[in-house]
Amino acid sequence: QLQLQESGPGLVKPSETLSLTCTVSGGSISSNDFYWGWIRQSPGKGLEWIGSITYSGSTFYNPSLKSRVTLSVDTSKNQFSLKLHSVTAADTAVYYCARPRAAVAGGDWFDPWGQGALVTVSS
Amino acid sequence: DIVMTQSPLSLPVTPGEPASISCRSSQSLLHANGHDYLDWYLQKPGQSPQVLIYLGSHRASGVPDRFSGSGSGTDFTLRISRVEAEDVGVYYCMQALQTPLTFGGGTKVEIK
Repeated sequence: QLQLQESGPGLVKPSETLSLTCTVSGGSISSNDFYWGWIRQSPGKGLEWIGSITYSGSTFYNPSLKSRVTLSVDTSKNQFSLKLHSVTAADTAVYYCARPRAAVAGGDWFDPWGQGALVTVSS
Repeated sequence: DIVMTQSPLSLPVTPGEPASISCRSSQSLLHANGHDYLDWYLQKPGQSPQVLIYLGSHRASGVPDRFSGSGSGTDFTLRISRVEAEDVGVYYCMQALQTPLTFGGGTKVEIK
C-alpha cells in the first residue's frame, strides 16, 4: 500500500526558502503512470494546489506560485521535494504531498495523501 | 481560474438521516470524453483529506456505498444516504479539468 510522508523544518524565516521532502513507501516513485503533487491548506485560503511533477521531472505549477516554486524528484531515494522561495507569513500552512491518480488536469484525483507538515513563516 | 462554490457552509445532520452538499463550478467540467472532472474529498478532524468520489460519480476504493456523487456540467451534488457519526468533517469538491486545480471552500458536517 502506497504511503507518503512529508518532512522538513516547521519554522522558516520571512524571505527565506521553505523546503519539504515527501518520502514514498510501498511503491516506486519511478512508475511511468505516476505523478506526484503538493497541496497546501491555510486558514485564509483553504486548499490550494501548488503543483505536480512526473517521475521524469516534467512539472506543472499553479500560476499564482510558479515564480517561487521548484519541484523535483530523487528516484534514488524514492522522494520528491518542494521548494518555495521568498516566503512570507501568507505562506504559513499545512503542506501535503499526495499522488494524483491521473494526468494533471486530466481528471486527476489525489490518493493517497501524506499526513501533512505544518510550516510557519515567522522571524 | 475555475471557481468552485459549495453550499451550505455548515450542515448539522442527524444520524440515520440523509444529507446532501452542493458544488457549483464557474465553467463546465464536462470533458469531451463524457466524464465530469469533479472530485469530492472528506477531511475528518485532525486528518488529511481523503478522496470519496472521482470523475463526478465514481466511488473511490473502500468508500461506503452510502456516499454517492451526481451532477454534470456546472452543478454537482454529494449525497450521504444515511449519515453515520464517522462522517463528520469538512467536505471539499475539486475540479480536475484545467490547471490550476481548484477546490471549493468546504462544507462542515456535524452531528446535531
